[in-house]
Amino acid sequence: DAGITQSPRYKITETGRQVTLMCHQTWSHSYMFWYRQDLGHGLRLIYYSAAADITDKGEVPDGYVVSRSKTENFPLTLESATRSQTSVYFCASSEQVMNTEAFFGQGTRLTVV
Amino acid sequence: QKEVEQNSGPLSVPEGAIASLNCTYSDRGSQSFFWYRQYSGKSPELIMSIYSNGDKEDGRFTAQLNKASQYVSLLIRDSQPSDSATYLCAVPTGGGNKLTFGTGTQLKVEL
Repeated sequence: DAGITQSPRYKITETGRQVTLMCHQTWSHSYMFWYRQDLGHGLRLIYYSAAADITDKGEVPDGYVVSRSKTENFPLTLESATRSQTSVYFCASSEQVMNTEAFFGQGTRLTVV
Repeated sequence: QKEVEQNSGPLSVPEGAIASLNCTYSDRGSQSFFWYRQYSGKSPELIMSIYSNGDKEDGRFTAQLNKASQYVSLLIRDSQPSDSATYLCAVPTGGGNKLTFGTGTQLKVEL
């Protein structure tokens, strides 16, 4: 199906473990983004990518790693999960046109215990 | 000052009334503005975009932009219970198509 999909939808992991959240889009959008959403903070940008092999930090990048070897995939890795990383994570994508809207995946609810 | 600010609500309106949601932004150079709707447990969904001063209408939704006052609003006419959701204002900031979001306004439409 066309669109942007995230996996897994739900994940429980233990403190200190590495976990990777997957994001795949079929629109061939240039830009991809990772946001986290927490009560009281709204959506905050973790990392973004303008194209394959080009990534940059957002507002809250600490503790996260991203890569983008292919245009359609943008995985987010928590190298050593902490309880403060319990959140809902959204992947989004947008076209190369500047200042344009982004489209969101379904989200991944991550719980770190 | 936050880059994008919204009242968190909740904003309660009776069914059939007009709901008015407001957003202010700090970057005077912003060129485009977006309203997203987010139902509980779901992802944000784009409902309106506006680029020029004035009003833009789409069905029951009207977006209003005043760049001089750095203010963008969303009006929902004939509010329905299905409009009950959190409404997020988003503005591209800092280049690279990055969207900065307000914390959202929760709207409750009561029967």
